[in-house]
Amino acid sequence: GESVGLHLPTLSVQEGDNSIINCAYSNSASDYFIWYKQESGKGPQFIIDIRSNMDKRQGQRVTVLLNKTVKHLSLQIAATQPGDSAVYFCAENMRGNAGNMLTFGGGTRLMVKP
Amino acid sequence: EPEVTQTPSHQVTQMGQEVILRCVPISNHLYFYWYRQILGQKVEFLVSFYNNEISEKSEIFDDQFSVERPDGSNFTLKIRSTKLEDSAMYFCASSAGTGDEKLFFGSGTQLSVL
Repeated sequence: GESVGLHLPTLSVQEGDNSIINCAYSNSASDYFIWYKQESGKGPQFIIDIRSNMDKRQGQRVTVLLNKTVKHLSLQIAATQPGDSAVYFCAENMRGNAGNMLTFGGGTRLMVKP
Repeated sequence: EPEVTQTPSHQVTQMGQEVILRCVPISNHLYFYWYRQILGQKVEFLVSFYNNEISEKSEIFDDQFSVERPDGSNFTLKIRSTKLEDSAMYFCASSAGTGDEKLFFGSGTQLSVL
């Protein structure tokens, strides 16, 4: 039968506004975190990463904040543009993970209104 | 910019048939991965591969699945006897290696099992 997909949380913002996308991660032993952007029909595209010894890291128009106390990660996009419309996933990795694998969160759909 | 390439972009097969999904990772990368994404759901880890052997695999990666690096450039995922529930987008990824966990993803192969 037809599989039912997850209902993605959606963030709708006006072009030019700032966007904040949140993620709760699961493993307190995770020490590396990464945000990916996925446009329809494409693979995840790297945006920014951060290690657990930092609580903030900035890129071009993007900032990632890490709060290890509450296991929370956020992605801030400044001056959001229509091209930012996509699904955003956070992912985590744990040091010593033999397979170097990333575990992905459920995703948030960002819709930018012109 | 180097990228991970996957072929084919779409694959339709009958239940019970074998399929091989192909990937060319970024040339100087050492870790290779397969992930899958069922429509509307999050990206799920299948397997990681390093130094010509599987380093980690998930529960999804059962005996029907296998991976191979037949030469210095290709990395393949074989599903021996496909099931309806194998229908998904399959992503190949690669990373540089120890100390750099950033994964680069291909555009995926959409597998449809009828």
